[in-house]
Amino acid sequence: ETGVTQTPRHLVMGMTNKKSLKCEQHLGHNAMYWYKQSAKKPLELMFVYNFKEQTENNSVPSRFSPECPNSSHLFLHLHTLQPEDSALYLCASSLGLAATNEQFFGPGTRLTVL
Amino acid sequence: GQNIDQPTEMTATEGAIVQINCTYQTSGFNGLFWYQQHAGEAPTFLSYNVLDGLEEKGRFSSFLSRSKGYSYLLLKELQMKDSASYLCAVRLLTGGGNKLTFGTGTQLKVEL
Repeated sequence: ETGVTQTPRHLVMGMTNKKSLKCEQHLGHNAMYWYKQSAKKPLELMFVYNFKEQTENNSVPSRFSPECPNSSHLFLHLHTLQPEDSALYLCASSLGLAATNEQFFGPGTRLTVL
Repeated sequence: GQNIDQPTEMTATEGAIVQINCTYQTSGFNGLFWYQQHAGEAPTFLSYNVLDGLEEKGRFSSFLSRSKGYSYLLLKELQMKDSASYLCAVRLLTGGGNKLTFGTGTQLKVEL
């Protein structure tokens, strides 16, 4: 595997379900990100981790719970979601948080909340 | 607040040149990125500008004017595979970190 991978690619869940999204990067990067991409809206940054420590929480509701066990893996735990949370969830990584560090994106998980 | 504007849609002909504009009003500026995103796929990096002027990379060029809060992405010799969404993103200077604020993207359709 190369680059940034995400599983599952598609997920349908009810509002009472609990599920998790997984992201893995094979680039030797230290920073990882979760973004939300809704139809007709800009990509929204949700969380930033650097060396496993959360450095940014962009006022995300607590029904989204991130976890970063190491620099290569990032999870997004989901519980009691709402239909408006249906979106494409993108993971990204970068070497670090320096200004010149380009972000590499995964293919995303298409989430549908019924 | 932060505001990034780009046209929603554009159509161009194969072999032609197209310019996609992006204007921004942000509190602090630390660079501008262009990404390409094909439907159902990950955004991929195209270019990065932090100083005024033109950056050229093959068929793609990106221009930045910080005083005008303006950038454009120029695509030459258009190919059908260039049909995609083009995302403009500004890196902010707020509180450190590598935070990007994205525009809504410009959906480019290349026709024969």
